[in-house]
Parts: sequence; structure tokens; C-alpha cells
Amino acid sequence: KNQVEQSPQSLIILEGKNCTLQCNYTVSPFSNLRWYKQDTGRGPVSLTIMTFSENTKSNGRYTATLDADTKQSSLHITASQLSDSASYICVVSQDDYKLSFGAGTTVTVRA
Amino acid sequence: DSGVTQTPKHLITATGQRVTLRCSPRSGDLSVYWYQQSLDQGLQFLIQYYNGEERAKGNILERFSAQQFPDLHSELNLSSLELGDSALYFCASSVGTGGWTEAFFGQGTRLTVV
Repeated sequence: KNQVEQSPQSLIILEGKNCTLQCNYTVSPFSNLRWYKQDTGRGPVSLTIMTFSENTKSNGRYTATLDADTKQSSLHITASQLSDSASYICVVSQDDYKLSFGAGTTVTVRA
Repeated sequence: DSGVTQTPKHLITATGQRVTLRCSPRSGDLSVYWYQQSLDQGLQFLIQYYNGEERAKGNILERFSAQQFPDLHSELNLSSLELGDSALYFCASSVGTGGWTEAFFGQGTRLTVV
């Protein structure tokens, strides 16, 4: 069983609308949680990185939240743009080298 | 541009063959990670090297092997290829090892086994 579960698997939104992606994890111990954006056929690019003590972190129109007690994170995209169409991957880092990846949520923004 | 270079970008080969994928990490990065991303699948961790030594192994098949050279570039060798090995193979690098290091990904090598 994957230790990092993301939902929904995919979603379609209209340009200008907001959306929220979910990430639940069971990874332990926990060092930090990252959200990556991956354009089709390209390598993932980091959006945010949060420790267990941080509740929220923003990067432009992207805002990530973290509840370390419930082991849940969300990524909120505000005022979506066509360029936001991508896969968004939740990655949980343990205290050592290991990164555990979620399967990703594919976001399609339509005009 | 992440600074991580992977070659080749695309590779088409036949079943049973062997290929080598190459990764040049960002300048100063000592860790190299290899990942496999099959069609509609998430990223699967294969193996990590740190300063020339194997540091961690993930779901890497015995037919696959990797190494990191003294100049810190890394190669992933895939042998006895099967159709199911068709995937995007990503390399990432980071300064060190440990949960805090930021990993930067290359653009990937798309392997197609026919």
C-alpha cells in the first residue's frame, strides 16, 4: 500500500477558478512534506516544502497546508491559469534520505 | 532549467537489449537519485548514490544497476529489457542526503522498448 495517497486522481477546472488537492500520508517518521508540479514529460519542480511545525506555506497562487496530527496536506490553487495544467505530486520525506511519492493529481485547466 | 542533465532524451530499443542512461547532477550536488515513472504511474524510487557510494535502494529490479563515478555523474544500466520497462526515467540530485535536502529533477529519459 502506498504510504502517500492523493486525491482526486484528476480534475478539470475552468480558468480563473480555484481548486484544492488532497494528500494523506502514513509515512513515519516524518521530516517534511513537499508539493511538486510536473508538466507532462518533464521533471517535477518543487512548489513548497513544509516541516511538521508549519501549518501553511504559500508560493504565489499556490498555498499548501499541513496537519501533522491527522497526517493530511492540501494544495490550493487560486485563480487558476492554463499553465497550471500539470500533475501535482505530494512527497513526504522521512528523517533520512528517503522520499515517498504520491501518484499525483492531474489538473486540467480549460479556457 | 534545474541544472540536472539527462541523456539521451529519448531511447527506443528492442526487448532483450541493454541500455545505459546518463545523469549529470547539478554542480556541487553529491547525491543522485534515480526514479522510474511508468505510463499513468507515480514516481517509483529506484536507487540513490551519495558521493560515489550506494546509499539506498528502492524497487530496483535485479536486471537494473547503477553507479556514480568520481566526477559524480551517474549511469543507470537496464539489461534484458522487457516491454514493461518502457517508462520515463528521472534522475534527481541534491547537495547532501537526509530529509531536508532539496532534490532537483532532470528532464528525464523516455525509454520505449519494442
